[in-house]
Amino acid sequence: EVQLVESGGDLVQPGGSLRLSCVASGFSFHSAWMHWVRQAPGKGLVWVSRINTDGSNRIYGDSVKGRFTISRDNAKSTLYLEMNSLRAEDTALYYCARDLGYNRLGSWGHGTLVTVSS
Amino acid sequence: DIVMTQSPDSLAVSLGERATINCKSSQTILNSSNNKNSLAWFQQKPGQPPRLLISWASTRESGVPDRFSGGGSGTDFTLTISSLQAEDVAVYYCQQCYSSPFSFGQGTKLEI
Repeated sequence: EVQLVESGGDLVQPGGSLRLSCVASGFSFHSAWMHWVRQAPGKGLVWVSRINTDGSNRIYGDSVKGRFTISRDNAKSTLYLEMNSLRAEDTALYYCARDLGYNRLGSWGHGTLVTVSS
Repeated sequence: DIVMTQSPDSLAVSLGERATINCKSSQTILNSSNNKNSLAWFQQKPGQPPRLLISWASTRESGVPDRFSGGGSGTDFTLTISSLQAEDVAVYYCQQCYSSPFSFGQGTKLEI
């Protein structure tokens, strides 16, 4: 069974930093492209970032470009999202998702909540 | 960037009746390598992560009931639930998988 478990969400002050993790199991993590998607409370889904299998190709949404960094450790089957210069508008539930190919998000974790507030 | 626009924002349908949700992309999302539209539909129930229902505009994922169907081409797409069941109450999102940023529609809340 495919499982994705996110962690690392927390309450952080504006301007602060946070690192999210997503531990994968039940599939060949090293051969899967992975994504982060976020959802502000009561709002819709927003795609955040994608990384290829070896981490050599990373892309970001405009709202996080230059502030967030996606990475992965295939030996640990773990996806990361390093978040810097956090803003109130970054407050959201952050999901990791497995790419089935061609950017089809086939499996999702249950998310980890990031709250940016003073 | 490609903008995805869904209509309506909310929809109330009686049990057993048909529900249709529309999704429009601001530009074509046809994948030239396989001649398929790079459009996905997701279902999200309260407190749960999204679930992929349909890929390539019309291909149902494994385990998805056949009352769910997707259609359309070019820039206009539809998700149809042929006979609404109580468990279909959810928010439905379309997403273009064609080019970054891989944008979602704003969501359609489906109620009984």
